[in-house]
Order: sequence, then C-alpha cells, then structure tokens
Amino acid sequence: KQEVTQIPAALSVPEGENLVLNCSFTDSAIYNLQWFRQDPGKGLTSLLLIQSSQREQTSGRLNASLDKSSGRSTLYIAASQPGDSATYLCAFQEAGTALIFGKGTTLSVSS
Amino acid sequence: DVKVTQSSRYLVKRTGEKVFLECVQDMDHENMFWYRQDPGLGLRLIYFSYDVKMKEKGDIPEGYSVSREKKERFSLILESASTNQTSMYLCASSLNRLNEKLFFGSGTQLSVL
Repeated sequence: KQEVTQIPAALSVPEGENLVLNCSFTDSAIYNLQWFRQDPGKGLTSLLLIQSSQREQTSGRLNASLDKSSGRSTLYIAASQPGDSATYLCAFQEAGTALIFGKGTTLSVSS
Repeated sequence: DVKVTQSSRYLVKRTGEKVFLECVQDMDHENMFWYRQDPGLGLRLIYFSYDVKMKEKGDIPEGYSVSREKKERFSLILESASTNQTSMYLCASSLNRLNEKLFFGSGTQLSVL
C-alpha cells in the first residue's frame, strides 16, 4: 500500500531562516501531490498542488518541487516568519483514487 | 473562495447514540470526502463520494455510514457511537476527478463519553 513519509516530524527555526520540508512516497505512479497547512484545532488549507507532469509550483515565499523518479517532494519556505508556524502535510494521489496523507511536519518559527 | 461548512465545531455525545455530522460546500463540487484525524495516526479516509447518491468506502469505514442526497451536502453518520470514535472529523471537497485540489472544512471535534 502507498505510504507517505514526512521528515522531520518537528522543526524549530529562528525567524528569517530559509527551510525545507521533506515528503517521500513509495509509488512513482503519481497523479498529483499537494501540500497543506494546518493550524492547531483547525482544518487544512491547500498551499500548492503539483501535477505529475510538473516539476515545481510557487506561491509567494513557498516553492514545492516534485521528483517522481526518487519519490520525493520538498516544500521550501523562504525567509520564515512566526506566522508560518503550523503543521505542514503533504498528500499523494494516484489517478482515480483519494489522497493519502503524510503525518505532517510541525514547524515552529521563533521571533 | 470555496467554502466548506461543517455544522458543529465541538460535539459531545454518549456511547450508543446515533450521531450525524453535516458538511455543506457552496461551489458545486462533485467530490466530497470525510476524514478523521487522530494524534500519531494522521488523516484517515472514512468515506467519499464522486456524485450524488454515490458513495465509496475509504480506509476505515467500519462503524460509519454516509448520505449524499444533494450535491452540496455530505453527511457522516455514526450508527452507534463508541468511545474509540472520539476524534477530529474533517470534511473536504474538490471540483471533480480532473481537478482534485482539496478544500477542507474547519473540522468537528467529537467526544464520545
């Protein structure tokens, strides 16, 4: 069964640092990969969606990349801010199936 | 913006009660999903629906059922609530199978006592 792994589980950085969150999946038959943000006790907010034909997507200070051959995606956050503190989840999807989620990386940005 | 609304933010029920969790989306999305989220286990898919009156089992359907009588509304039903169904329940929707960007509701924290 497809598995999605996110490392590290938790990350603490000072404000202003650039950082990378990692997501790996076990099957290369990917349809799309999505990155979400979740604030404590809240629902998930979609950040970026990368189709299997794409290599990366950018939104503001966020950049997500996809490497199908290695089964990896990264979320790059530039110039981190305290407001970026949240849990970030990636989700993998094969064609015709529902998303499979990783367990997330909890990010804490200190001022 | 797409709005996915879950009827209750917090809910407390007793063991054995029948529980209804309601979810409504306002953007004519075809696909709707119910997940539960538990510490250490992440999000797990309970049921989903690709069209009105259609439903598909997810990874953990036992103890749950769903209803989708109208396109905008997807209900999750706990037939006889048990303490192990205490969890955060998240509803989500997406436009269709060609555009699967997911939009989530704010969640319902259900406690079964």
